[in-house]
Amino acid sequence: DIQMTQSPSSLSASVGDRVTITCRASQSISSYLSWYQQKPGKAPKLLIYAASSLQSGVPSRFSGSGSGTDFTLTISSLQPEDFATYYCQQSYNTPRTFGQGTKVEIK
Amino acid sequence: EVQLVESGGGLVKPGGSLRLSCAASGFTFSSYTMNWVRQAPGKGLEWVSSISSSSRYIYYADSVKGRFTISRDNAKNSLYLQMNSLRAEDTAVYYCARDPSGGWYADWGQGTLVTVSS
Repeated sequence: DIQMTQSPSSLSASVGDRVTITCRASQSISSYLSWYQQKPGKAPKLLIYAASSLQSGVPSRFSGSGSGTDFTLTISSLQPEDFATYYCQQSYNTPRTFGQGTKVEIK
Repeated sequence: EVQLVESGGGLVKPGGSLRLSCAASGFTFSSYTMNWVRQAPGKGLEWVSSISSSSRYIYYADSVKGRFTISRDNAKNSLYLQMNSLRAEDTAVYYCARDPSGGWYADWGQGTLVTVSS
């Protein structure tokens, strides 16, 4: 199985900050990487697919980059509604696997 | 608007069975691979199973293989998960999710909670 490792596991940031979350795959997954945002008690929401494609309706302050084994989710200017947990997920092969999550908290 | 509505969760004893359902609307259900993803309380996301549009391709996580069965009824726009021999570690919110094409999950239901406890 492909292991997905996110860092950091949590971070504290202020509104307006630039935030970067990284995701590393245990083997190359090309660009088969997606990012999700989850708020407490809610279903996950797709933000980015194919490593860098922005899902329809998602604000442009979210961006994704990377290929192979190393990927990044960037929030260019953190907004109050962005405090949540973020997960990466590989779809290179089955079983699909997720990172452990990164919790973004208010500083 | 895509809607996915899960049902069938509840409290069940270890070794028991449950059948989850997911009612889909707002898209051509028969054209898409569908999935079950679960989340144990306070934990991360875990893919459980997927089924292709025609039911030809079915996959399971090792943790549920041999105990869970995924199925779909395209005429009823519905996805199912039959869960047998349930264990405490199967306790989770179960989400159904639509794969638009590339193995990511563009749409999710609200989830249904399964609690396995004596």
